[in-house]
Amino acid sequence: SQQGEEDPQALSIQEGENATMNCSYKTSINNLQWYRQNSGRGLVHLILIRSNEREKHSGRLRVTLDTSKKSSSLLITASRAADTASYFCATVGNSGYSTLTFGKGTMLLVSP
Amino acid sequence: NAGVTQTPKFQVLKTGQSMTLQCAQDMNHEYMSWYRQDPGMGLRLIHYSVGAGITDQGEVPNGYNVSRSTTEDFPLRLLSAAPSQTSVYFCASNRQGGYAEAFFGQGTRLTVV
Repeated sequence: SQQGEEDPQALSIQEGENATMNCSYKTSINNLQWYRQNSGRGLVHLILIRSNEREKHSGRLRVTLDTSKKSSSLLITASRAADTASYFCATVGNSGYSTLTFGKGTMLLVSP
Repeated sequence: NAGVTQTPKFQVLKTGQSMTLQCAQDMNHEYMSWYRQDPGMGLRLIHYSVGAGITDQGEVPNGYNVSRSTTEDFPLRLLSAAPSQTSVYFCASNRQGGYAEAFFGQGTRLTVV
């Protein structure tokens, strides 16, 4: 069963604008990860944020985590056409070998 | 570095045929996983392995078989293909299971007719 649910399902913006995607989950987590998938390609890891962290940055990416609301957001600032892709959140639980549980993704289209 | 390599990239099977999807990684990762991706469903875990000789089932294991004889290789076998197994299959590896980033292969697009 899928743990993370991304919102919105699709997002269309212009180059230069910021893009915000949200992920909600149901059970307690060890960490939450964001991945990008370009059309027809494999997933690429973007950021991992642990349950005791509230915010992480990587270049133009900013991820926040609110464990009290069981939600995370991914912000891409100053979007480029090359950011067009699907973005997935994946959660990892706390017990034993914990596998990644993916949401259904947000499809981002950045128009020139 | 090659990372995670999957073969073949595309495959068409007839219902009832069997085949093996290959996955190899050169990063000496202990953990490897197989996912399937269907439209609107995200990625779902089929089987995973925490080391050579150790495998376990994920969310959707029926109709698939795995083994892990070496650290590098983690093949996925379709025993008797069904149209419901039409999907894109991804192999992934990582150092510490879910506690570290996963590296994905480019995927195998499988069509069962």
